[in-house]
Amino acid sequence: GAGVSQTPSNKVTEKGKYVELRCDPISGHTALYWYRQSLGQGPEFLIYFQGTGAADDSGLPNDRFFAVRPEGSVSTLKIQRTERGDSAVYLCASSPGGNNEQFFGPGTRLTVL
Amino acid sequence: KQEVTQIPAALSVPEGENLVLNCSFTDSAIYNLQWFRQDPGKGLTSLLLIQSSQREQTSGRLNASLDKSSGRSTLYIAASQPGDSATYLCAVRTGGFKTIFGAGTRLFVKA
Repeated sequence: GAGVSQTPSNKVTEKGKYVELRCDPISGHTALYWYRQSLGQGPEFLIYFQGTGAADDSGLPNDRFFAVRPEGSVSTLKIQRTERGDSAVYLCASSPGGNNEQFFGPGTRLTVL
Repeated sequence: KQEVTQIPAALSVPEGENLVLNCSFTDSAIYNLQWFRQDPGKGLTSLLLIQSSQREQTSGRLNASLDKSSGRSTLYIAASQPGDSATYLCAVRTGGFKTIFGAGTRLFVKA
């Protein structure tokens, strides 16, 4: 079956602009995670959804970052007033439940000029 | 605060060698530990998941062990091949819902 997909694969934007990154999890997976990864580092946890609700958003760096999952499947990560320091690869993962194996998408590379 | 460390940061071995990658974590209160591989410019591929109640998991040439009390996990790769060249990451699921990753070990297997 289809894996986790993320769109776009690359996004270039200017400082101060608003961006949306999309994640389509594996069908039937109730848990969804967002991470960001800088070069040479492991992924950094941002937010965890169980169903439609954000069960843990403690990794979001500030209030410019927000994520939604209105119907319990597709999720959108939204970044307002982008800064150059937001440049990274944003990864999404899903799992059948909260304590199960996580499956990752290919990521969205965000570049803020 | 949970911290995950992977040693070594990089490793180069000749083809056919058996090798061990190390992962340590500071807080033993974890739900599970997962090993991933990441190829350059790609997402993460899950290799093995060990629940907190388990001691080890095996898949093909890979064997992962978990010692919660000492805060350590090892990933053993038997008979390494050039196709095993990648970055290997370990991640621990904490008592909340966070998953904390190490920085990874970059493995190069020479033909």
